[in-house]
Amino acid sequence: GAVVSQHPSRVICKSGTSVKIECRSLDFQATTMFWYRQFPKKSLMLMATSNEGSKATYEQGVEKDKFLINHASLTLSTLTVTSAHPEDSSFYICSARGPRMERDNNEQFFGPGTRLTVL
Amino acid sequence: AQKVTQAQTEISVVEKEDVTLDCVYETRDTTYYLFWYKQPPSGELVFLIRRNSFDEQNEISGRYSWNFQKSTSSFNFTITASQVVDSAVYFCALSEDTNAGNMLTFGGGTRLMVKP
Repeated sequence: GAVVSQHPSRVICKSGTSVKIECRSLDFQATTMFWYRQFPKKSLMLMATSNEGSKATYEQGVEKDKFLINHASLTLSTLTVTSAHPEDSSFYICSARGPRMERDNNEQFFGPGTRLTVL
Repeated sequence: AQKVTQAQTEISVVEKEDVTLDCVYETRDTTYYLFWYKQPPSGELVFLIRRNSFDEQNEISGRYSWNFQKSTSSFNFTITASQVVDSAVYFCALSEDTNAGNMLTFGGGTRLMVKP
């Protein structure tokens, strides 16, 4: 099956620093990638939709200047949390969807997640 | 707008009991997809099943079974003879067939605890 990786899996940083999280589709080309955020014991909330070669579409309430998304190639999307603060601590999960090859191909493949802790 | 409701936030059962996790969804689309994912303590989402809106056939996979009822907008998940390894958070999700990238809307999740 399709594999999506995330790096790093865990990161601890000081308040005020920026953190970059990478999401890679390892064996397929992903035209669309999604970034989700999950607080402890809560559900996944979509932050933004990233399409290769174009600007990301952010969900309401998500600061685009705070969470920079770059989908520079068909296998890589990055999420940069700029000037991180303790309230940004969360579990960030990406998913990738390949080109639609058939009508009923609507599955997203999830990365293993990145746990961010901001001190 | 689409919405997924998992009314049970936590369920606790004893090993070997059967357990059903409820999922109710709302959508205006006639074409949509429903999913179930398992999230163990490690955090990684494990895909369990995808069902499209035109296929109301129930499915069984080992100890897992799914009951899709369009009439009640429900997509319930049953684990038969539960095991301790089934302990996890289970998410039901919905994706509409639009040009908006087919984003997933997740339910709030049900935390299942299976005790030995």
